Amino acid sequence: GENVEQHPSTLSVQEGDSAVIKCTYSDSASNYFPWYKQELGKRPQLIIDIRSNVGEKKDQRIAVTLNKTAKHFSLHITETQPEDSAVYFCAEFLRGGSQGNLIFGKGTKLSVKP
Amino acid sequence: GAGVSQSPSNKVTEKGKDVELRCDPISGHTALYWYRQSLGQGLEFLIYFQGNSAPDKSGLPSDRFSAERTGGSVSTLTIQRTQQEDSAVYLCASKLSGRGGTDTQYFGPGTRLTVL
Repeated sequence: GENVEQHPSTLSVQEGDSAVIKCTYSDSASNYFPWYKQELGKRPQLIIDIRSNVGEKKDQRIAVTLNKTAKHFSLHITETQPEDSAVYFCAEFLRGGSQGNLIFGKGTKLSVKP
Repeated sequence: GAGVSQSPSNKVTEKGKDVELRCDPISGHTALYWYRQSLGQGLEFLIYFQGNSAPDKSGLPSDRFSAERTGGSVSTLTIQRTQQEDSAVYLCASKLSGRGGTDTQYFGPGTRLTVL
């Protein structure tokens, strides 16, 4: 069935280091992969997304890569800052799929230590 | 422009009481979702509305939970005979679907429900 595996569940890095979060999806027909950031007590907010017709997308310090063959996609944050500390959720969009077409991973809690 | 709004922001109720949570989606968004998020946990899908189609209720945890979407806009999530395990943040999200739409969901600020 439809499923998104997200790893790691927690990640702690020093300020300035890079952080990588990886998600694996199950359905090769999935064509859209957003990443959401949720700060403590706040709503999830979209930070970057990628469609299946591209392999990488960058926006300043964040980037997402997609490997369709292996069915996984990753979030990369470079030069991490304390304000990057949050829970990050990946998701896959599968038109016609369950849960309103969007399946979320279980989240990664990122802590950036100054 | 105005984003997704939810009310109330906080709700404290006694076990056994009914509660209603409201979601106002972004104007024109045809898709609306409800999620539940327990403390420190992920997003638990509850229900999905798309236009005039029958809602996908597959995520509702019990028959005490129900939701309506009137006029294709505002939605109300109702929890009857609340239990302590219902305590969580209830998040609503909307999306502009169809031609010209994107697949991006926009979340509301949530309603924090506490059942005593």
